[in-house]
Order: sequence, then structure tokens, then C-alpha cells
Amino acid sequence: EMQLVESGGGLVQPGRSLRLSCVASGFTFEGYAMHWVRQTPGKGLEWVAGISWNSGDLDYADSVKGRFTISRDNAKNALYLQMNSLRHEDTALYYCAKAVGIALGGALGDVWGHGTTVTVFS
Amino acid sequence: SSELTQDPAVSVALGQTATITCQGDILRTYFATWYQQKPGQAPVLLIYGTNTRPSGIPDRFSGSTSTNTASLTITGAQAEDEAVYYCSSRDFSAKFLFGGGTKLTVL
Repeated sequence: EMQLVESGGGLVQPGRSLRLSCVASGFTFEGYAMHWVRQTPGKGLEWVAGISWNSGDLDYADSVKGRFTISRDNAKNALYLQMNSLRHEDTALYYCAKAVGIALGGALGDVWGHGTTVTVFS
Repeated sequence: SSELTQDPAVSVALGQTATITCQGDILRTYFATWYQQKPGQAPVLLIYGTNTRPSGIPDRFSGSTSTNTASLTITGAQAEDEAVYYCSSRDFSAKFLFGGGTKLTVL
């Protein structure tokens, strides 16, 4: 069974940092692009960042560019999201999602994790 | 503009056909992707590309596009289809966009 398990969420003050992790199992992790998607009750789903199979292609939503960094370790079947300079508006449930193919531009989300919650509070 | 617009709510009688739409100029260029999300659960991929369904998705779900509008059709809606449906696509700067979601009620 293909599975993604996120961790690393928590409560953090504005301006601080947090690192999310996502561990994959049940499929050949290095064969697929991966993404982070977040969800808030008021705004629905928002794509955050994506990374191609070999980390050669990265992209970010404008709302997080320059603050967040996506990375992966294919040897560990792991995806990461380093979040710096956190803001109140980054408060959300963060999902990692598997892409359908190796490239960043293909459809995403044929496998999702359960999500990890990030709360930025003063 | 790089936005995807969905109706907030749609209702359908049990066993009838529901159509959920998604409008955006980028759909003239890129395919829409459709997801189903039930309360407390992660989204589920329903349709991507040229009306491709992942393994395990019932064939009552289908997708189509006409000019700038993508449609998700549920033929013979079931009670378990009650959920929020999101469309998604790439935008012209190769980033991903999501629509605001449509809550489907099965009467």
C-alpha cells in the first residue's frame, strides 16, 4: 500500500522556523515528483511547493517563495519542507502529495498523507 | 487571469447526474485535475489529464473541458459522493492553482 506520513508540525511564534518531513512507503519514491499542499478552513487547498524526482526542478507558490525550501532525500524516501520567517497566514494543515509522474508539471495527488498541523501564534 | 472559479454548492437527487464546473482562462491551455474531499480526510484524486481515472475510482466520475470551463460529471450520484470537490490546474508560470471547492449535497 502506498503511504505518506508527515511529521514536524506544531505551535510556533511568528518569525521562527519549522521543518516538516514526509516519509514515503509502498512505492518507488525516487520515481516521482512530490509536492506540499496546505489547507485552511477559510481558503481551501493551496499548493505550496513542488520538487521533481531528482531535485533538478523546484517551484514555490509566490506566498512562500524566499521563505520556504523544499528538498528530498531519495535514499531515505523522505520529503522535507523547511519553513523560515513564519507568518500567521502560514497556519494550516500541511499535506505532502505524490505526483503522478517524475516531472514537476504533471498532475499531483494520487497519494496524500494525513497532514501535519502548523499553527503560527503570537 | 490565473484563477479557477467554482460554484460554492451544488445539489443532486440520489441516482441523478451532477455536474460541477470550474472556470478559468488557464483551462484553455492546461487540463483540469479533480479531487474529492470528505470531512476530516485528505483529498482523493478523481480525474487528471484527458479524463483519466486512477485505479479504484468508479467510472461514474468523468471529466471534460470546453473552452475555459472544465466539468466533473457524476453519473448516478450515490450518497457516499457527498463531499467537497476541488479542481486544479497549472497556471501560466507553471505553478499549481486550486479552485475554491464545491460542496456537493446528495438529496
